[in-house]
Amino acid sequence: NAGVTQTPKFRVLKTGQSMTLLCAQDMNHEYMYWYRQDPGMGLRLIHYSVGEGTTAKGEVPDGYNVSRLKKQNFLLGLESAAPSQTSVYFCASSYGRPDTQYFGPGTRLTVL
Amino acid sequence: DQQVKQNSPSLSVQEGRISILNCDYTNSMFDYFLWYKKYPAEGPTFLISISSIKDKNEDGRFTVFLNKSAKHLSLHIVPSQPGDSAVYFCAASGIGKSTFGDGTTLTVKP
Repeated sequence: NAGVTQTPKFRVLKTGQSMTLLCAQDMNHEYMYWYRQDPGMGLRLIHYSVGEGTTAKGEVPDGYNVSRLKKQNFLLGLESAAPSQTSVYFCASSYGRPDTQYFGPGTRLTVL
Repeated sequence: DQQVKQNSPSLSVQEGRISILNCDYTNSMFDYFLWYKKYPAEGPTFLISISSIKDKNEDGRFTVFLNKSAKHLSLHIVPSQPGDSAVYFCAASGIGKSTFGDGTTLTVKP
């Protein structure tokens, strides 16, 4: 089992560019999450999904969109990147709630 | 308003001694609490959890204590080992999602 994988691992964008981060899990988990982590801060929830075809807003959803077309994939999109979105992004999945979350290795995004 | 707080950004202990990491929460609707460990350049990994119906849970060297009246939980690591050096996140789970603290960086000196 690969667990939770994230693509890409690193990315540098210019302000205004768009991109999509891909998260994939092979554990048949229902719940999936996108977090961002900034220096000295914890993990802040951007969006989450409680099943295929569903999405919901977390604490810091502005500037991001998500889609869960397949159970195993959860995509995070930035339509017009801003320097404030420079961060490390983590995807996670869990079987249900409450439950242990399994995290991917992270994507380090820099917006210039 | 931060609902989960880890007031100590860092903690340094000697190898073989006890490490105690603390976490406070404000939302009484939280009913499940977890600790995650994170090494640099990796994602967090689950360490130990506790349900609100318990006040203690042990797993090897790791013990989590929950004091619901004080809205406080702590993670005890005994004995501490250099490989335990990492960032530790406390998380509290309510309806639909978890809320994380800012983390405590533990350094265990040989």
